[in-house]
Amino acid sequence: KQEVTQIPAALSVPEGENLVLNCSFTDSAIYNLQWFRQDPGKGLTSLLLIQSSQREQTSGRLNASLDKSSGRSTLYIAASQPGDSATYLCAVRYGGSQGNLIFGKGTKLSVKP
Amino acid sequence: GAGVSQSPSNKVTEKGKDVELRCDPISGHTALYWYRQSLGQGLEFLIYFQGNSAPDKSGLPSDRFSAERTGGSVSTLTIQRTQQEDSAVYLCASSLRSGFTDTQYFGPGTRLTVL
Repeated sequence: KQEVTQIPAALSVPEGENLVLNCSFTDSAIYNLQWFRQDPGKGLTSLLLIQSSQREQTSGRLNASLDKSSGRSTLYIAASQPGDSATYLCAVRYGGSQGNLIFGKGTKLSVKP
Repeated sequence: GAGVSQSPSNKVTEKGKDVELRCDPISGHTALYWYRQSLGQGLEFLIYFQGNSAPDKSGLPSDRFSAERTGGSVSTLTIQRTQQEDSAVYLCASSLRSGFTDTQYFGPGTRLTVL
């Protein structure tokens, strides 16, 4: 069964810290992997998408890495800010461009001023 | 439009009633997805449309759930004879389906509460 696991389930850090969120997947034959953030009462916002052939993607203070062989991805957030507080979801696509996303349960991040 | 929209934002219904949830995708997006997010659970895939056809209905939890899409745009998710376990946030997403890069853009969701 293809599963996506995110650790930790919740994380609280002081403002300014660098942090890492972890995502693991059971089947390494992924098509791509995507990180989202979800704010309370709102939909998901796509942050970064990494294709299976890529090792990392960067956007501003965010950096996502992918290690297919070990079934892991990490989302690195530099110099965290209170506005980064949200739930971060990792999603994996299998089965090529016609496949669907399998989501982890997310990591709830709280950045305290 | 500017983004994916969903209506209603909240729906409270009694057990046994039918409900319809609506999704308006981003203009020009050919692919449309429905997901369900239950309390404490991850997002669960329900159904996917490419144009007006649904090549993958594998996630629909029972035959009480159905969805349609007309004109390659608006989609409706219908839940018949609702049960309390149907209570969840139902999220819709759309994408260009341009092949290799296929970022899904999500709507704000419909929170369904079945009493």
